[in-house]
Amino acid sequence: QKEVEQNSGPLSVPEGAIASLNCTYSDRGSQSFFWYRQYSGKSPELIMSIYSNGDKEDGRFTAQLNKASQYVSLLIRDSQPSDSATYLCAVNERIKAAGNKLTFGGGTRVLVKP
Amino acid sequence: DVKVTQSSRYLVKRTGEKVFLECVQDMDHENMFWYRQDPGLGLRLIYFSYDVKMKEKGDIPEGYSVSREKKERFSLILESASTNQTSMYLCASSPAGNSPLHFGNGTRLTVT
Repeated sequence: QKEVEQNSGPLSVPEGAIASLNCTYSDRGSQSFFWYRQYSGKSPELIMSIYSNGDKEDGRFTAQLNKASQYVSLLIRDSQPSDSATYLCAVNERIKAAGNKLTFGGGTRVLVKP
Repeated sequence: DVKVTQSSRYLVKRTGEKVFLECVQDMDHENMFWYRQDPGLGLRLIYFSYDVKMKEKGDIPEGYSVSREKKERFSLILESASTNQTSMYLCASSPAGNSPLHFGNGTRLTVT
């Protein structure tokens, strides 16, 4: 059973600060990593994809990947109250030539306080 | 934009009923998935399909079956609903390869 671990939180950050979320995974063969945001009662929405070691920035979000340490993180800069949500880390596992599936972490709940 | 449509947003069924959850995607994606999400347990994969008429068991397939007769449609079937199947059910699709999943809005199923 492949595992993806996240701190459940809540991670409380003041408005305007940086929120730092971490995720570790067990499968060394994983090639694709994703961060989803999920508001209460809603379905997950994709916010970042990362496939190679290093940093990837998109607006206020930065994803960081270190395959040697089996670690992926998400930074949210200038946090806003609208960023309050649960953030899910997901790791790809190749099943067949054309098939793949994602294993999700339990999610980190983020609370941004005005 | 990818659209994944689940037929019902809320559903209430009785114990022992046969329940069908329908999911349709409009982006010609090869892969389709059914997850359930429960507080404290996160998202768990029930079944997935990487081609028409193909299906693979996920982590918690017991009590469920699936059908994929057409590429765009993936159905989840609860043969005999039980109260422990009360949950949020999420359908998702993705193209072939190392691609992210796109989720539907979810179906909140209550079995009484």
